Amino acid sequence: KAGVTQTPRYLIKTRGQQVTLSCSPISGHRSVSWYQQTPGQGLQFLFEYFSETQRNKGNFPGRFSGRQFSNSRSEMNVSTLELGDSALYLCASSLFGTANEKLFFGSGTQLSVL
Amino acid sequence: SQQGEEDPQALSIQEGENATMNCSYKTSINNLQWYRQNSGRGLVHLILIRSNEREKHSGRLRVTLDTSKKSSSLLITASRAADTASYFCATDAGFGNEKLTFGTGTRLTIIP
Repeated sequence: KAGVTQTPRYLIKTRGQQVTLSCSPISGHRSVSWYQQTPGQGLQFLFEYFSETQRNKGNFPGRFSGRQFSNSRSEMNVSTLELGDSALYLCASSLFGTANEKLFFGSGTQLSVL
Repeated sequence: SQQGEEDPQALSIQEGENATMNCSYKTSINNLQWYRQNSGRGLVHLILIRSNEREKHSGRLRVTLDTSKKSSSLLITASRAADTASYFCATDAGFGNEKLTFGTGTRLTIIP
């Protein structure tokens, strides 16, 4: 079974631009969660999708958005990029997104905003 | 805000020694999980312990949970160079909130 796939692996953008990151979960997994990881803040929860619906959302501004498709693949979008958005963005999948399941993580997308 | 906080932030030990990391959290939980992250990569699940369990083992890993103190510990016995990584605890927020919140992590370095 293929693991969680995130693309692209690296991304360099400039302030004010927007970016779209992609995540393909493990086959059969219907829940996809997104996390932002920075050295100073650790892993911060962005949002979680299950069957194309956002079920949980973290404390991030509206510039951060996401969606999930019928095949469970998910994308997240960041508009009007700021320097502080530079981070490793991780997605994780699980069957149902319940807290007693383990999460399977992708390798992440390293975003650098110049 | 972080639900879990790991302690220490960084730990260096000789290969073959045991490594202990601690996690404290703030609110009642249903489950606590530990993950490992190799430098700049995704996290890998290590072990899950439920709130009604006190101890769990998996290979060289031993996890304890003390819900009265809202704390957990991860013990890695007979450490190896390959154990060099960051270790995170993750907690839910109790019944009805499935979101997992991660701590700030412990950076473990095994010296050959």
